[in-house]
Amino acid sequence: QKEVEQDPGPLSVPEGAIVSLNCTYSNSAFQYFMWYRQYSRKGPELLMYTYSSGNKEDGRFTAQVDKSSKYISLFIRDSQPSDSATYLCAMSSPIAGTALIFGKGTTLSVSS
Amino acid sequence: DSGVTQTPKHLITATGQRVTLRCSPRSGDLSVYWYQQSLDQGLQFLIQYYNGEERAKGNILERFSAQQFPDLHSELNLSSLELGDSALYFCASSVAVVGSYEQYFGPGTRLTVT
Repeated sequence: QKEVEQDPGPLSVPEGAIVSLNCTYSNSAFQYFMWYRQYSRKGPELLMYTYSSGNKEDGRFTAQVDKSSKYISLFIRDSQPSDSATYLCAMSSPIAGTALIFGKGTTLSVSS
Repeated sequence: DSGVTQTPKHLITATGQRVTLRCSPRSGDLSVYWYQQSLDQGLQFLIQYYNGEERAKGNILERFSAQQFPDLHSELNLSSLELGDSALYFCASSVAVVGSYEQYFGPGTRLTVT
């Protein structure tokens, strides 16, 4: 079993839709959770950063962490064509140091 | 723009050769990380340096090595290259070793081994 599982998609939605992206993980020591957005052939861009369980909101983006279920989510409201990208979840634990363990990414396409 | 710079953007070389990838972290960041991204493996952590010292190793091959210089820039050296080493190589930086898990990625170097 991989440490971090992420459905690769692709996920196609119309403009204005609410998008839900998810990751599951197996290592209960993970405490730091991040979402990155990666456009084709570009470097990953940090979108959201969450410590432990709970919700965090930033504009159209909401990150949720449920440590009891080992499940994290990223919600995108009012999705735009410019949101079309690959979304990568990443996580880390104090025990492992600060290296990030990534999911393989979900490819999202938002059509106008 | 994350503030992390990487050179070169593209590199094409032959099997058996050696290449050097360069990274400059964001101003003020002391930690540098190297990651490899391939289609089948995704983003994989290779190695971390903090203020010139190696801090953590991931799935880095013995043919690969890295260092961080006094001005905090870092170089990743890849030798005896194989076709399977073709990938995107990213550098990321963060402020500190512990307590700062937010990493900012550079634009990457695309390595093609022929």
